[in-house]
Amino acid sequence: SYVLTQPPSVSVAPGQTARITCGGNDIGGYRVHWYQQKPGQAPVLVVYDDSDRPSGIPERFSGSNSGNTATLTISWVEAGDEADYYCQVWYSSSDRYVFGTGTKVTVL
Amino acid sequence: QVQLGQSGAEVKKPGASVKVSCKASGYTFTGFYMHWVRQAPGQGFEWMGWINPNGGGTNYAQKFQGRVTMTRDTSISTAYMELSSLRSDDTAVYYCARDGDYSKFPSFDAWGQGTLVTVSS
Repeated sequence: SYVLTQPPSVSVAPGQTARITCGGNDIGGYRVHWYQQKPGQAPVLVVYDDSDRPSGIPERFSGSNSGNTATLTISWVEAGDEADYYCQVWYSSSDRYVFGTGTKVTVL
Repeated sequence: QVQLGQSGAEVKKPGASVKVSCKASGYTFTGFYMHWVRQAPGQGFEWMGWINPNGGGTNYAQKFQGRVTMTRDTSISTAYMELSSLRSDDTAVYYCARDGDYSKFPSFDAWGQGTLVTVSS
């Protein structure tokens, strides 16, 4: 089944590192994209293809993917990083697009 | 710059239909697939389907087969999503999202501002 599981919440102090996981069966065999959504706004792509950044996204955002877990890492967290984060995978065999359950990042 | 501008909020009764528009600017409309994604209040994202503006081909998520229709008008660079037989659990913000230019594995690199559709008697 196509289920991507994320922790509901992650809390981090400013300047520290936040790690958000996305769990799925053999997710390491797929390319994972990550989106940031601030309240009342549309999502923004922050990482694509596991670890690449679109233009304009700070280097503080990075990603990795292996086995059954993909991870979005936000280094030197700032107050402006407080948002919901979602992973997303395309399953080519069925042409399905699946989003993770979402993680709320709170900056303490 | 790439922009997707959506139509305004709608209130519909159960059983009715709704049609949401998404006007693209800043790029060649026919060069990129357009997807529709919805987000129920306080929930995550649910992919509904895509349309290829170059030719009009579509692919709908199984859940919405028979209820959703995606069309486009290339003369005005606008995509449409119509959902019929509305139910209360169709209440959500509906987004159009462009299939990204960054990766050969589909991602969404531009999103509309969202259209709130409320289904209530």
